Amino acid sequence: KQEVTQIPAALSVPEGENLVLNCSFTDSAIYNLQWFRQDPGKGLTSLLLIQSSQREQTSGRLNASLDKSSGRSTLYIAASQPGDSATYLCAVRRGGNQFYFGTGTSLTVIP
Amino acid sequence: DTEVTQTPKHLVMGMTNKKSLKCEQHMGHRAMYWYKQKAKKPPELMFVYSYEKLSINESVPSRFSPECPNSSLLNLHLHALQPEDSALYLCASSRGGLASSGNTIYFGEGSWLTVV
Repeated sequence: KQEVTQIPAALSVPEGENLVLNCSFTDSAIYNLQWFRQDPGKGLTSLLLIQSSQREQTSGRLNASLDKSSGRSTLYIAASQPGDSATYLCAVRRGGNQFYFGTGTSLTVIP
Repeated sequence: DTEVTQTPKHLVMGMTNKKSLKCEQHMGHRAMYWYKQKAKKPPELMFVYSYEKLSINESVPSRFSPECPNSSLLNLHLHALQPEDSALYLCASSRGGLASSGNTIYFGEGSWLTVV
């Protein structure tokens, strides 16, 4: 079964700092990888989707990379803001519409 | 419209009750999902429907019974639940199709379930 791990589990940074969140997965046979944010008590909001053939995707201050062969993805957040405080989850998609989530990183951006 | 709507937002039920959670999307998606999420844990996949047929059941206890009446609706029927079933239940949808590698999965806001 696919195991998806995120490091660190929690991160606290001052406003304006650039930061990197990590996601690793054990089975490289994936269709795509998706990054989400989840605010407390809320559903998940999709941030970026990287297809298995792609190396990276960018949206605004967010940049996600994928190295399928090594089973790793990173989410880079530039110039962090207090509004970025949330839990960030990566999810990998295998065949048959199976999406498996990582353990999550809880981010706090201090004003 | 990229919205997945879940009702109710909050549900409290006794262990002998029968209740249902509902989910609706109008994006033309043909894959729909139920996930369970406990506090400070990632979502865990429960069921996947593909083209209105159950394609994945992640060994979920039979006290949870999914139903997909049509391509826009997904229900989760609940019966004889235990207090440890209390959690946030998330519905999601995606375009579907085995070769659709570019599918984004969209989530609803979830239904908070408390079993007393």
